[in-house]
Amino acid sequence: KAGVTQTPRYLIKTRGQQVTLSCSPISGHRSVSWYQQTPGQGLQFLFEYFSETQRNKGNFPGRFSGRQFSNSRSEMNVSTLELGDSALYLCASSTFADTQYFGPGTRLTVL
Amino acid sequence: GIQVEQSPPDLILQEGANSTLRCNFSDSVNNLQWFHQNPWGQLINLFYIPSGTKQNGRLSATTVATERYSLLYISSSQTTDSGVYFCAVEGPKAAGNKLTFGGGTRVLVKP
Repeated sequence: KAGVTQTPRYLIKTRGQQVTLSCSPISGHRSVSWYQQTPGQGLQFLFEYFSETQRNKGNFPGRFSGRQFSNSRSEMNVSTLELGDSALYLCASSTFADTQYFGPGTRLTVL
Repeated sequence: GIQVEQSPPDLILQEGANSTLRCNFSDSVNNLQWFHQNPWGQLINLFYIPSGTKQNGRLSATTVATERYSLLYISSSQTTDSGVYFCAVEGPKAAGNKLTFGGGTRVLVKP
């Protein structure tokens, strides 16, 4: 089976812009979770989608949003980018409540 | 929410040495995973181990759920074992998939 894929792998944006990241889960996995990794805060949970519904949400401002499509692919959007949003964004997929498999990540730089 | 602490934060090993990484957590868990983050940022699954002992080659892990800790053993370390090791847990109140990560142990194996 193909692993979790994320696009794009690298992204450079300027403050105030918005960005959309994409994640394709492992075939058959219906849960997709997003995490943010920064040197200061470590790895933090953003949100999880299961069958097109947001099932869990972390402590991030409303500028961070996501959605999941009927084929389980997921996108996350960050509006009005701030310098502090520079991070590695990781996506993970899993079955109902089991091992989570991570993608290679999208490295976002905000200038 | 659940707290996860990893120790030591940094570990320098000579190739061929053995080591033990520790993960303490503050509540009972439904899910516990160990990951190795490679230099490119991808999190590689090592173990899914909410309880018990597992072995995979030179790596093994033990989780004592009643005492709220997990150990990752690396035997006969190799330079390719370098990187950051993360423990991540999912607490009992989590509905779905929501991992809380420890701060990681940075391992450097010298030739």
